[in-house]
Amino acid sequence: EVQLVESGGGLVQPGGSLRLSCTASGFTFSNYWMSWVRQAPGKGLEWVTKISQDGSEKDYVDSVKGRFTISRDNAKNSLYLQMNSLRAEDTAVYYCATEAFDIWGQGTMVTVSS
Amino acid sequence: QTVVTQEPSLTVSPGGTVTLTCASSTGAVTSGYYPNWFQQKPGQAPRALIYNTSTKHSWTPARFSGSLLGGKAALTLSGVQPEDEAEYYCLLYYGGTHVFGTGTKVTVL
Repeated sequence: EVQLVESGGGLVQPGGSLRLSCTASGFTFSNYWMSWVRQAPGKGLEWVTKISQDGSEKDYVDSVKGRFTISRDNAKNSLYLQMNSLRAEDTAVYYCATEAFDIWGQGTMVTVSS
Repeated sequence: QTVVTQEPSLTVSPGGTVTLTCASSTGAVTSGYYPNWFQQKPGQAPRALIYNTSTKHSWTPARFSGSLLGGKAALTLSGVQPEDEAEYYCLLYYGGTHVFGTGTKVTVL
């Protein structure tokens, strides 16, 4: 079964850090660009970042540049999102998705609050 | 900052037809923006419906179709079913980055 499973969400204080993971199964993970997409409570979808198959190319939405870092480990079929200097406005469900946005995980909730 | 705008809400009767649009603040939407469309129901992850303007995924019902219309991307639902009630998002590609539309809440009434 083709599947993406996110983990690592939780409650963190403003200014803190968190690392999200996304584990892929059922397809050849190393063949695809991967993205992170987030959705604040009651709000719309926001594309956050993406990474190329070998990790050499990355793009970010302006609001997270310099604070978030995307990475991957193809040997572990895993995608990561290192989030630093977290702000209240980063509170959201974070989804990982494949290159064509045809496969999505179930999401992991990140809450930034004191 | 690029903004992608959709109708906030639309209402359609069962069996009816409704068209959702997706406009870019940078100008006319073309196939080079590779428009995608997604459906999201409460508490669920988004589900892909359309990519590259008009190509359906294997699981996309035939009543969903994508196109370009008057400088915008468009999603048409024909023969609407009650289960089509959901939020719909478009996604445009801007040469490296992507921007989701503001979303359209479709009510089937």
